Amino acid sequence: EAAVTQSPRSKVAVTGGKVTLSCHQTNNHDYMYWYRQDTGHGLRLIHYSYVADSTEKGDIPDGYKASRPSQENFSLILELASLSQTAVYFCASTTENTEVFFGKGTRLTVV
Amino acid sequence: KTQVEQSPQSLVVRQGENCVLQCNYSVTPDNHLRWFKQDTGKGLVSLTVLVHENDKTSNGRYSATLDKDAKHSTLHITATLLDDTATYICVVGDRGSALGRLHFGAGTQLIVIP
Repeated sequence: EAAVTQSPRSKVAVTGGKVTLSCHQTNNHDYMYWYRQDTGHGLRLIHYSYVADSTEKGDIPDGYKASRPSQENFSLILELASLSQTAVYFCASTTENTEVFFGKGTRLTVV
Repeated sequence: KTQVEQSPQSLVVRQGENCVLQCNYSVTPDNHLRWFKQDTGKGLVSLTVLVHENDKTSNGRYSATLDKDAKHSTLHITATLLDDTATYICVVGDRGSALGRLHFGAGTQLIVIP
């Protein structure tokens, strides 16, 4: 069964600190995505990647960087965490068809 | 501008009752529409996907319809169970490949009470 694993599952970070969220998939999928979910809003795309060593900006990339060192791993990096980045973050992977698999999410609280 | 609107925002039903969730969208093109279930603190799990003009799908107690002319979809849950308590999210894909964008609704929070 397709699997997307996120770590950590929750994190409290200090304003101005660096945060790295990790995502690992065992699906052999080429495409990976990072979304954030805020209460009352739909998921919004931050960064995505089609292939290892390459990332693309999504709809809300400001304040975030991404890294895809291998097909299996995709990280989201907050160099200077801010209060507005408190949210739940989801990683997803997909193939050329319409199926998409999500991780269980990382709850980030910036204080 | 929100391109996928879901209603109601929240819904409380008694166990055993049926319920209907609505999804209206303005995404163009609308290649496919998928309904996800999100349990509290968990990821999104796909319930069904609709692709064609007047598609109807069924997955156990879940059934869904799609009207592409009206850009409207419904998710029916029959004989609700306590475990159906979750947020149901409507997602519209604008292309039939991984290169397409997914447009997410904010979800309908369903609470099933005994």
